[in-house]
Amino acid sequence: DTGVSQNPRHKITKRGQNVTFRCDPISEHNRLYWYRQTLGQGPEFLTYFQNEAQLEKSRLLSDRFSAERPKGSFSTLEIQRTEQGDSAMYLCASSFQDYQETQYFGPGTRLLVL
Amino acid sequence: QKEVEQNSGPLSVPEGAIASLNCTYSDRGSQSFFWYRQYSGKSPELIMFIYSNGDKEDGRFTAQLNKASQYVSLLIRDSQPSDSATYLCASSWQFYFGTGTSLTVIP
Repeated sequence: DTGVSQNPRHKITKRGQNVTFRCDPISEHNRLYWYRQTLGQGPEFLTYFQNEAQLEKSRLLSDRFSAERPKGSFSTLEIQRTEQGDSAMYLCASSFQDYQETQYFGPGTRLLVL
Repeated sequence: QKEVEQNSGPLSVPEGAIASLNCTYSDRGSQSFFWYRQYSGKSPELIMFIYSNGDKEDGRFTAQLNKASQYVSLLIRDSQPSDSATYLCASSWQFYFGTGTSLTVIP
């Protein structure tokens, strides 16, 4: 069990550029979650997948954000036309679908939009 | 109104004391609750989960859940400087996290 991994760990981009982040969950976990966290706030839910199906998406998620999990394993989160307000830590978590559904977090990708 | 609210802190306790962290929630559909610890610049790590009314103990940590009053708490006994971190309360329903309570344990 290597834990949840995320790449890249840091990303600096210019406003208007597109960025893509990758998350590799714990191998036996069928659920995968994306969160965004800014300084002084708790993680804010963005979306989650069960296997390859995207089951829920936050209404706060603008249409510039899209996420995929094509084969039910790794997932990507893409932000198009980045804005300075997108600067945050993007966290991925995974869980196994049972009564507990404990989420295990990856190290995060820190995005800075200049 | 936020779905999960935490006492904002920051909270400071002397080493060896009991630290008490509280969380309230608004959605009665919430079934399970989690406490995560987050060190500065790091991702959250799970401390405990609780889904039954009452207390659950794990080492120096005790989680308490009261569904009638809709609150969850975390007690840390014999607080250590290494416990200094932000503590996040989370509901499994709709994946809500509180804003966190910053705890500092003073040696």
